Amino acid sequence: AQKVTQAQTEISVVEKEDVTLDCVYETRDTTYYLFWYKQPPSGELVFLIRRNSFDEQNEISGRYSWNFQKSTSSFNFTITASQVVDSAVYFCALSEASHTGTYKYIFGTGTRLKVLA
Amino acid sequence: KAGVTQTPRYLIKTRGQQVTLSCSPISGHRSVSWYQQTPGQGLQFLFEYFSETQRNKGNFPGRFSGRQFSNSRSEMNVSTLELGDSALYLCASKLSGGTSGNEQFFGPGTRLTVL
Repeated sequence: AQKVTQAQTEISVVEKEDVTLDCVYETRDTTYYLFWYKQPPSGELVFLIRRNSFDEQNEISGRYSWNFQKSTSSFNFTITASQVVDSAVYFCALSEASHTGTYKYIFGTGTRLKVLA
Repeated sequence: KAGVTQTPRYLIKTRGQQVTLSCSPISGHRSVSWYQQTPGQGLQFLFEYFSETQRNKGNFPGRFSGRQFSNSRSEMNVSTLELGDSALYLCASKLSGGTSGNEQFFGPGTRLTVL
């Protein structure tokens, strides 16, 4: 069965520090998608990135970067030079085909990031 | 392009009552999913609708039901409310149906409190 593990429940860093949020997933499918979402205090989940299982290239978007490694079933997220506005709960999610052929999302439990000024 | 909208944003009900939550997806999106978020259980998938048909269902009792209209708007209904139904209910839309791994876009949620 599919599963997403975010072992870090809460992380606190001081502004300008780099921080990495870990995500480990389990799936039996060869075709799947991985996502990261940010949930600020307002509550709305904000889409950050999608990765398909055939694309292991790392991606950088400004201060954000993602490291996808199929060999370790991990999809880690790094924020460089963190800012107070990065404070939020971050969710990793896995989407794979169900037995009906449709895709279902499984979310990790989230990592609460606190960036202190 | 307008985002996903959910109404109402806040709701207070008492045990035994029923409630209907509404979600309007991003224009052009035909898939709508519902999630329940609680501090103890995290984000739990309720169901997904595409073209007015339920495509996927999570492990929730039959008190939780939903539907989708021809304009892709969706409603979620919870009957005979229990204290444990207090949660943030999130709606998400995506471009196509369940056979793709498209990213979902979430609404601001409806915070339901059951007293």
